Amino acid sequence: SSELTQDPAVSVALGQTVRITCQGDSLRSYYASWYQQKPGQAPVLVIYGKNNRPSGIPDRFSGSSSGNTASLTITGAQAEDEADYYCNSRDSSGNLYVVFGGGTKLTVL
Amino acid sequence: EVQLVESGGGLVKPGGSLRLSCAASGFTFSSYSMNWVRQAPGKGLEWVSSISSSSSYIYYADSVKGRFTISRDNAKNSLYLQMNSLRAEDTAVYYCARDFWSPHTATYYFDYWGQGTLVTVSS
Repeated sequence: SSELTQDPAVSVALGQTVRITCQGDSLRSYYASWYQQKPGQAPVLVIYGKNNRPSGIPDRFSGSSSGNTASLTITGAQAEDEADYYCNSRDSSGNLYVVFGGGTKLTVL
Repeated sequence: EVQLVESGGGLVKPGGSLRLSCAASGFTFSSYSMNWVRQAPGKGLEWVSSISSSSSYIYYADSVKGRFTISRDNAKNSLYLQMNSLRAEDTAVYYCARDFWSPHTATYYFDYWGQGTLVTVSS
């Protein structure tokens, strides 16, 4: 089982704001990174560190963190944002080197 | 342009072996840690193994420890995963991914991924 916990599914109306969360003890020590994965494609990094976007990622994607919870916020969700989203970080428990959340399926209505 | 291209996947019987390769280009391969991440059909991402730039540090998920071996050849810009004693639950798309780790900023992420290679373990 994942040591980072995500809601399995979230939905958002087109143009509205949605927050996807990720919880785990590791997040008290490390920032989460976030990946978008569309069907049949490899994951793509969308947020890393405190709140950084790789080149080419729209600025409607942002990240934040508080305590053991990291959040990915999409402000003004677009149809093309419908995808699975995964969080990830180093593991602080000593059991694993790297951990992933179980993923959140985002549906844009 | 950074490119990671996996190969070597296929159909193998339980108990069999397979060797995956990942050809890297577009960056100084010998300067980066590399990883294998897998995704079973319809499931989430699972980290499998990591190897440091000079192969000094190697880590495995408990689910593959003792059965899988990660290695790299910096002269050939290539990453490998030797998979032995394969089980049905190893069936997955296997991705090669480059990582970035900064303990000073507590930041870790996979910045580039290959397209993956499918491994199917079935009799």
